Amino acid sequence: RKEVEQDPGPFNVPEGATVAFNCTYSNSASQSFFWYRQDCRKEPKLLMSVYSSGNEDGRFTAQLNRASQYISLLIRDSKLSDSATYLCVVLMDSSYKLIFGSGTRLLVRP
Amino acid sequence: EPEVTQTPSHQVTQMGQEVILRCVPISNHLYFYWYRQILGQKVEFLVSFYNNEISEKSEIFDDQFSVERPDGSNFTLKIRSTKLEDSAMYFCASSQDSGYTFGSGTRLTVV
Repeated sequence: RKEVEQDPGPFNVPEGATVAFNCTYSNSASQSFFWYRQDCRKEPKLLMSVYSSGNEDGRFTAQLNRASQYISLLIRDSKLSDSATYLCVVLMDSSYKLIFGSGTRLLVRP
Repeated sequence: EPEVTQTPSHQVTQMGQEVILRCVPISNHLYFYWYRQILGQKVEFLVSFYNNEISEKSEIFDDQFSVERPDGSNFTLKIRSTKLEDSAMYFCASSQDSGYTFGSGTRLTVV
């Protein structure tokens, strides 16, 4: 089983749409969770951390369900500039290394 | 905003040659890392470095790879004898208190 699993997409949505991405992780000892954004051939950039209580940053909402080992990201009112690959990432607290999912590609069309 | 700097941005090398990828981490960070991303694949952990020694390495990080912090600012990844399958983006990162910052990467092409 992959350590971090994501639907690769692509998700092709019109501007203004709401889109949701899901991710599952296999290591129940994982403590910290993140969504990163990666543009083509660029470095991953932190979008937001994910907490059990859920957290929101503008149009972005992230949720963590530890019991199901499941993480989600919701993007409301999609913009053309949201087109990118969204990476689900788990931090192994014992070693501080990041485990990346393969990413979900989002294409927002006019 | 502090940033992690990587040089060169693109390197082309012949199979069997040695390459050194360079990184300048954020100055007050204590943890340093190398990750790689083969085209079309996920970002993979290679090695972490703390207190002047390797703290963890992946199975990818075999004897062909080494890391060094030759002075107070640089952090290097050396590949001794490059193979075609070493072609990838190599990202350096540094962290403090689980706040990670990635460099913009070096695209290594082995021909």
